[in-house]
Amino acid sequence: DIQMTQSPSFLSASVGERVTLSCRASQNINKYLDWYQQKLGEAPKLLIYNTNNLHTGIPSRFSGSGSGTDYTLTISSLQPEDVATYFCLQRNSWPRTFGAGTKLELK
Amino acid sequence: QVKLLQSGAALVKPGDSVKMSCKASGYTFTDYIIHWVKQSHGKSLEWIGYINPYSGGTNYNEKFKSKATLTVDKSSSTAYMEFSRLTSEDSAIYYCARSRYYSPFDYWGQGVMVTVSS
Repeated sequence: DIQMTQSPSFLSASVGERVTLSCRASQNINKYLDWYQQKLGEAPKLLIYNTNNLHTGIPSRFSGSGSGTDYTLTISSLQPEDVATYFCLQRNSWPRTFGAGTKLELK
Repeated sequence: QVKLLQSGAALVKPGDSVKMSCKASGYTFTDYIIHWVKQSHGKSLEWIGYINPYSGGTNYNEKFKSKATLTVDKSSSTAYMEFSRLTSEDSAIYYCARSRYYSPFDYWGQGVMVTVSS
């Protein structure tokens, strides 16, 4: 199975700050990498798919990049409503595997 | 609009089975596969498997192959997951989600909390 490692596990940032979250795969996943946002008590929500494609209705302050084994999610200007846990998911092979998540809080 | 409505929370005894449902609406049920995902308390997400409502074909994570059984009822646009021989390790929230075959999970159900306790 492909192991997905996210860093950092916790991140505290200020409103308006630029935030970068990382996800590393144990092998090349050919950009089949998605990012999900999960707010407390809610189901995960798709943000970005195939590394850098914004899902419908997602604000443009979210962006993704990467290739091979290393991928990032960037929030260009953090907003209070972005407080959540962010998970990455690889869809290069079965079984699908998720990262352990990055919990993002406001400073 | 697309909705995946899951059944309510369940409290079950160790050794028992539980069957949960995921009712789809707002799209053609047989055009998308349904995945099931486990989230243990405060932890990450694990993919359990998927079922293709069109063909009934399934693909399971090896870890859950002897634990989970996925079925569908096309007439009611509902997917089901039965989890058997439950232990405390199976206490978790279980989500259904849909996707095209090699596409992201674009809509999720609200989740079902399963508690295994005597």
